[in-house]
Amino acid sequence: DAGVTQSPTHLIKTRGQHVTLRCSPISGHKSVSWYQQVLGQGPQFIFQYYEKEERGRGNFPDRFSARQFPNYSSELNVNALLLGDSALYLCASSLDKGTNQETQYFGPGTRLLVL
Amino acid sequence: QKEVEQNSGPLSVPEGAIASLNCTYSDRVSQSFFWYRQYSGKSPELIMSIYSNGDKEDGRFTAQLNKASQYVSLLIRDSQPSDSATYLCAVSGRGSTLGRLYFGRGTQLTVWP
Repeated sequence: DAGVTQSPTHLIKTRGQHVTLRCSPISGHKSVSWYQQVLGQGPQFIFQYYEKEERGRGNFPDRFSARQFPNYSSELNVNALLLGDSALYLCASSLDKGTNQETQYFGPGTRLLVL
Repeated sequence: QKEVEQNSGPLSVPEGAIASLNCTYSDRVSQSFFWYRQYSGKSPELIMSIYSNGDKEDGRFTAQLNKASQYVSLLIRDSQPSDSATYLCAVSGRGSTLGRLYFGRGTQLTVWP
């Protein structure tokens, strides 16, 4: 089975632009979460979606938005890019049975550089 | 805001030694704990999950959980150079934050031949 896939793998943008990152979860997984990982730090939670509904949002500004599609794939959008948005953006999928023992599996990530 | 702290590292051990990685967390009622390995330039890869107090073994890896002390550790026996990576400790949220993972900064491990 294919794992979590993300596109693009790398992206260079300039300040003020917007970006759309894409993620396809593992087949059968209904939940997708997005994380931002700045160099030297652990991943930080941005969003979680389940069955097309936003289940949770981390401490990120409104410039960050996301959605999930009927096939459970997801997009993360970031508007008005800042230099500080440069990071590795990770998508994780899980089966989501509603327990706290869900294992999240990460995709390869999208490395975003804002100049 | 949940806090997850890991020993700062970097940690350097010789091949064949035991590497010990430690993690503490602030939320006393946290239930689920995960160790991920992240090679440089790559994404995190799950190594172990642990939910109950005590030890959980999987091959050369042993996770230990002590909820009373809010402490979780990962032991790597017979360390190999291929184990050289950053190890991330993650704690899952509960209630309104169910499904979120809270990560430590990671501990960089180097295993030298």
